[in-house]
Amino acid sequence: AQKVTQAQTEISVVEKEDVTLDCVYETRDTTYYLFWYKQPPSGELVFLIRRNSFDEQNEISGRYSWNFQKSTSSFNFTITASQVVDSAVYFCALSEAPGNQFYFGTGTSLTVIP
Amino acid sequence: EAGVAQSPRYKIIEKRQSVAFWCNPISGHATLYWYQQILGQGPKLLIQFQNNGVVDDSQLPKDRFSAERLKGVDSTLKIQPAKLEDSAVYLCASSFLAGSSYNEQFFGPGTRLTVL
Repeated sequence: AQKVTQAQTEISVVEKEDVTLDCVYETRDTTYYLFWYKQPPSGELVFLIRRNSFDEQNEISGRYSWNFQKSTSSFNFTITASQVVDSAVYFCALSEAPGNQFYFGTGTSLTVIP
Repeated sequence: EAGVAQSPRYKIIEKRQSVAFWCNPISGHATLYWYQQILGQGPKLLIQFQNNGVVDDSQLPKDRFSAERLKGVDSTLKIQPAKLEDSAVYLCASSFLAGSSYNEQFFGPGTRLTVL
């Protein structure tokens, strides 16, 4: 079974619009870690944010914010005032213990149109 | 601070040939991972090292893939012989230490392999 599901395959927005990327995960562990990574056309995966399962406080970091809801097993990621440089594939990932492998979703390709 | 280094960046080979990829993790990172990313998919773990020991190689096709990290620093992933379905990007990642709460993985630029 897929541990991380990103239902949105492709999203296009016009520059300066807000965009939310959805992520649903599945795990039986009570302690786990969730991540968002960005993969620009150059191919390198860039770490964006990490969330621990025992900390449900949602935060904002610059133009990025995230909404972690254990009740629905969701970890959604929002970019405010999108920019062309945000165009990339975004991956949600789950780790069930520190240092364990990451289970990645299939990614959401975001295109920001100028 | 230097990131994860990988070489080569691109490789094209014929099926049944052999190929090797090299990775140098971030200095001080004890844990090293090799992932395979097929076009349109998320990365999938092939093998994980802690220092020079293997932690998880359950998803490594051992009949053709091998990896080593002899001195607990850089690592080599080999495919012998290659098949068409091995065409993918091979990503190397490192993290500070398994068991640490600071467990985000940092990725290299990847090696894009094309098997003809």
